[in-house]
Amino acid sequence: SQTIHQWPATLVQPVGSPLSLECTVEGTSNPNLYWYRQAAGRGLQLLFYSVGIGQISSEVPQNLSASRPQDRQFILSSKKLLLSDSGFYLCAWDGGQGAPEAFFGQGTRLTVV
Amino acid sequence: AQSVSQHNHHVILSEAASLELGCNYSYGGTVNLFWYVQYPGQHLQLLLKYFSGDPLVKGIKGFEAEFIKSKFSFNLRKPSVQWSDTAEYFCAVTLGYGQNFVFGPGTRLSVLP
Repeated sequence: SQTIHQWPATLVQPVGSPLSLECTVEGTSNPNLYWYRQAAGRGLQLLFYSVGIGQISSEVPQNLSASRPQDRQFILSSKKLLLSDSGFYLCAWDGGQGAPEAFFGQGTRLTVV
Repeated sequence: AQSVSQHNHHVILSEAASLELGCNYSYGGTVNLFWYVQYPGQHLQLLLKYFSGDPLVKGIKGFEAEFIKSKFSFNLRKPSVQWSDTAEYFCAVTLGYGQNFVFGPGTRLSVLP
């Protein structure tokens, strides 16, 4: 069966520090991968999505970047965190053709102090 | 660009009351529709989905949703809510296989015991 791993579960980082959140998917190949942010009172916001290795699309210009070094690995990064980067970050995948529903990781609660 | 709106930001109900959460989308073509739920402290889970066929879809935990194409709507219903239904509910749309999801802003449901 397919599973998705996302870590860490919680993270407290000072302003100006770097960020790296990792997400890996097991049990499937060539998934579409997504990074979402869930800010308080604002619902889910799509940050990045990827349809293949090295292919990243950004939905919102911001302080964050994403990379997909391997087929089932998706990384969310920042060189210098801002207070406004605080939120709940979710990784998700879907199988593209044949399996259009999305499956979500457990999420990372990021607090920038 | 397609978008999804949810009518209510926060709904408060007493146990045994009936529930209807509105969802409208802004795309005129064929869509796949979903309702996701996020219970406090847990990750997103799929409640139900519509791909084609019978527009009345039954999901888990007694939830159902009706797709009305002429109204671009996919409202979520439950005849009698329980305290355990307290959660945030997200409507989502995808244009089909390999297309990224668009989520609504979410509706927070609070059920009073």
